[in-house]
Amino acid sequence: DVKVTQSSRYLVKRTGEKVFLECVQDMDHENMFWYRQDPGLGLRLIYFSYDVKMKEKGDIPEGYSVSREKKERFSLILESASTSQTSMYLCASSFRGPKLYEQYFGPGTRLTVT
Amino acid sequence: DAKTTQPPSMDCAEGRAANLPCNHSTISGNEYVYWYRQIHSQGPQYIIHGLKNNETNEMASLIITEDRKSSTLILPHATLRDTAVYYCIVREAGGTSYGKLTFGQGTILTVHP
Repeated sequence: DVKVTQSSRYLVKRTGEKVFLECVQDMDHENMFWYRQDPGLGLRLIYFSYDVKMKEKGDIPEGYSVSREKKERFSLILESASTSQTSMYLCASSFRGPKLYEQYFGPGTRLTVT
Repeated sequence: DAKTTQPPSMDCAEGRAANLPCNHSTISGNEYVYWYRQIHSQGPQYIIHGLKNNETNEMASLIITEDRKSSTLILPHATLRDTAVYYCIVREAGGTSYGKLTFGQGTILTVHP
């Protein structure tokens, strides 16, 4: 079975702190994604990576950066956390090509910024 | 991307088949129908997808009408653990948009004992 793991299920941080969210997948997927999910707003793509060291901005990249130094690992960085970044963060991975939309998600990290 | 319409909620008795409909009347010829679900407080889970033929896997069956304007996800023997929000999505497999998934409101399926 595909396994996508995220570093924390719950995280509480203070405004202005730098926050690292890590995601690891064990299926040799080329693609990795970071989404956030908020009530009433659905799933929104933050960043996407299709290869090591490659990244593309999604719909809401402002205030976030990402790092992909190894194929299995994709990190999301909040440079200076704000209360508006309180959300559920979901990491996903998939193969390239026809399997692009067969995405496997991690359990999510519920981040609260106070 | 084609828009999808799903009923907001459905109920099903445990052990019975759950049939979840989805309308996608503007689907184009190279677009696939994907189904995901999300159990409360968990990440979304890919279930199944298809183009025009019926598909079956260990989780569910997908029936797509001949004109491809609608489809039905079938959970053959629903259990309490199948209680979740089910999302129907239409996408061109391997297309652009960086693989962005967009979930609509979905159908809240409640399985009763």
